[in-house]
Amino acid sequence: NAGVTQTPKFQVLKTGQSMTLQCAQDMNHNSMYWYRQDPGMGLRLIYYSASEGTTDKGEVPNGYNVSRLNKREFSLRLESAAPSQTSVYFCASTPDDANSIGELFFGEGSRLTVL
Amino acid sequence: AQSVTQLGSHVSVSEGALVLLRCNYSSSVPPYLFWYVQYPNQGLQLLLKYTSAATLVKGINGFEAEFKKSETSFHLTKPSAHMSDAAEYFCAVSEGWDMRFGAGTRLTVKP
Repeated sequence: NAGVTQTPKFQVLKTGQSMTLQCAQDMNHNSMYWYRQDPGMGLRLIYYSASEGTTDKGEVPNGYNVSRLNKREFSLRLESAAPSQTSVYFCASTPDDANSIGELFFGEGSRLTVL
Repeated sequence: AQSVTQLGSHVSVSEGALVLLRCNYSSSVPPYLFWYVQYPNQGLQLLLKYTSAATLVKGINGFEAEFKKSETSFHLTKPSAHMSDAAEYFCAVSEGWDMRFGAGTRLTVKP
């Protein structure tokens, strides 16, 4: 079972460069998330997508864009990377039934360093 | 928005000792509450969740948590720590699709 797959696992960027983090899930979930994890701050929601073609801003969306082109994939783009975006990024998805509220399945993370 | 506060960024226990990780929530309505665990270099995994069906919730690996409305708490416990329990633990609250996580508590287990 692949679950939630994120690429790349590691990336180093220079300030001002752009990049896209890719996420794909094979569990047929509609809902997908992007979080960032920083020491002492837990996970903070960047963007959420309830279904293909829909996205909502989370707690910390500034400096990021997302794209949900199909049910499986949810990408996160940094148009002009800044050192403050150095972080570990997690993609997650969740089942759609009411009994599964809050049951997130996470990828293994993408560690991004911006110099 | 709802939020959770985890008391203590680091907790250290001896193997076989009681584990107690503290979480308090702020919510004006009955919340959905969760505990997640993160092992090194991995994503988070769901440990247990509270959805108002029962105040004492049992999870995986012998963990349980008790919802106390009067104290707005949802502390995580395990009677006897094992070396494999060493990880970071996150309390979280859900308001619809918006999941908010605490800052995390790193649990160290000493032999």
